[in-house]
Amino acid sequence: QSALTQPRSVSGSPGQSVTISCTGTSSDVGGYDFVSWYQQHPGKAPKLMIYDVTRRPSGVPDRFSGSKSGNTASLTISGLQTDDEADYYCCSYGASYIMVFGGGTELTVL
Amino acid sequence: QVQVVQSGAEVKKPGSSVNVSCKAFGGTFSTHSITWVRQTPGQGLEWMGRIIPMFGVTNYAQRFQDRLTITADKSTSTAYMELSSLTSEDTAIFYCATEMISKGADNWGQGTLVTVSS
Repeated sequence: QSALTQPRSVSGSPGQSVTISCTGTSSDVGGYDFVSWYQQHPGKAPKLMIYDVTRRPSGVPDRFSGSKSGNTASLTISGLQTDDEADYYCCSYGASYIMVFGGGTELTVL
Repeated sequence: QVQVVQSGAEVKKPGSSVNVSCKAFGGTFSTHSITWVRQTPGQGLEWMGRIIPMFGVTNYAQRFQDRLTITADKSTSTAYMELSSLTSEDTAIFYCATEMISKGADNWGQGTLVTVSS
C-alpha cells in the first residue's frame, strides 16, 4: 500500500491558521472515516492529535481540527503557537485494518 | 495513566535478527492492541504491524510479512517485535504504541534505536 501524500512543508506566523492536506485513495482515506493525525517534535515520539477524522483525544487543544472530503483529509491548526512547530503525519486505516501513514509535513512557525 | 516502556538500543550485524520489547503499564493490554512503527533516519513513519494480545491475533504490513514476528505475553503486559534478515536499511527507531483499532495509536513508547552495521 502506498504512502499517503502530504506537502513536505507548510509555514505560518503566530496567531495565524494553517491547513495540512493528506491525499490517499478510495481504499484508505476515501473509504473509511478512520483518519488520524500525529505531531512529532524532534527527538520525541509521535503524539496522537486527531482520530476518526475529527475527534480530539483528551488534552489536545481545540485549536487542532480535522476534516475530510473524498480522498483528502486535512488538519487545521488555528491560533498558531511556537510550540506547534513540529512534523505532522496523517494516517489512515485501510482494508483489514492495515495502517498507512503520510510522508509527513514540517510545520514552521515564523 | 498509561505508560509504555521499550527496551534499549541495539547494534546488530547484517543478516541477524533483533528483538525489541514493549511493556504497557496501566491495564490497557486487555483492551488495546500493540502496534509497531518504524522511522528511518530523517524519514517518516512506517507502520509495521500489530498484535491484539487478548486474542493473539496479528496483522502485518505486506513489506514486512516475510521477516516480522510480533508476539505478546499477557502475564507481563509485554509485546515483542522480532525483525529478521536485517540490512543497513533497517537502521531506524522502532516505536510501539497502544492502539484501539481504527482510533489510532494513543500511547507511545520512547522508541528503540536499532543500528545495523558490519
